[in-house]
Amino acid sequence: DQQVKQNSPSLSVQEGRISILNCDYTNSMFDYFLWYKKYPAEGPTFLISISSIKDKNEDGRFTVFLNKSAKHLSLHIVPSQPGDSAVYFCAASASGQGGSEKLVFGKGTKLTVNP
Amino acid sequence: DSGVTQTPKHLITATGQRVTLRCSPRSGDLSVYWYQQSLDQGLQFLIHYYNGEERAKGNILERFSAQQFPDLHSELNLSSLELGDSALYFCASSVGLLGGYTFGSGTRLTVV
Repeated sequence: DQQVKQNSPSLSVQEGRISILNCDYTNSMFDYFLWYKKYPAEGPTFLISISSIKDKNEDGRFTVFLNKSAKHLSLHIVPSQPGDSAVYFCAASASGQGGSEKLVFGKGTKLTVNP
Repeated sequence: DSGVTQTPKHLITATGQRVTLRCSPRSGDLSVYWYQQSLDQGLQFLIHYYNGEERAKGNILERFSAQQFPDLHSELNLSSLELGDSALYFCASSVGLLGGYTFGSGTRLTVV
C-alpha cells in the first residue's frame, strides 16, 4: 500500500518555465510534508517543507502548496534552471509516532530542464 | 559534504554472505535513520535509532539488524544475503524534522 504517490515518473520543461511536481497521499495522519532533491551518486538533499497548518510555503524559486482536503501537494519551481535537473522525492511524516519522525517517501519524479 | 558519512560506498558480495554498513551522523545529531532504495522504488524506511535506543522499525527483514553505539555511529548488518537485497542503503541523521534530515551519499550493495 503506497501511502505517498508521485504519479509522474518524469517531467521535462524548458529553462525559464515553471516546473510543477505533484504528490498525493492517502494517510490522513500525515501532518508534515517535505521535498527532497537527489542527484545521481548523491544522497537526497532537503529542499522545502510544509506543515499541515499551512497551505503554502515559499523559499526563493521553490514553493510548495498543500491541499489537505484533496490530500495533494505540489512543488513549483519558477523559473526552472538546468541545474534543477534531478529526481525529486515527496515525503510525509505523522507526528505522534512514538518519538520517531520516520518519513514515507514517494517513488520520485525525474525532472529534466532543457536549456 | 553533507556531514553524514557512510562507508563503504560500494559493496559487492555473494548470496548467503553477511555485510556491515556503517554510518556516522552529523555532529550533534542524535537520531540515525536507515532507508533502502531498490530499483525504481522510493526510499523505504528500515529503522530509527535515537541516542542508542531503537525508536521505530519499518519493513526491515529479520535477516537485517542495526545498532547505534555510544559515539552515535550506527551499523546496519545484513545477513544471509539474497539477490533481492541489492539496493542503495542510505542513512540520515537529524536533530528534528524541521529542516529535514541530512542524508549520507549511500552504500550501493550488489549481491551476486
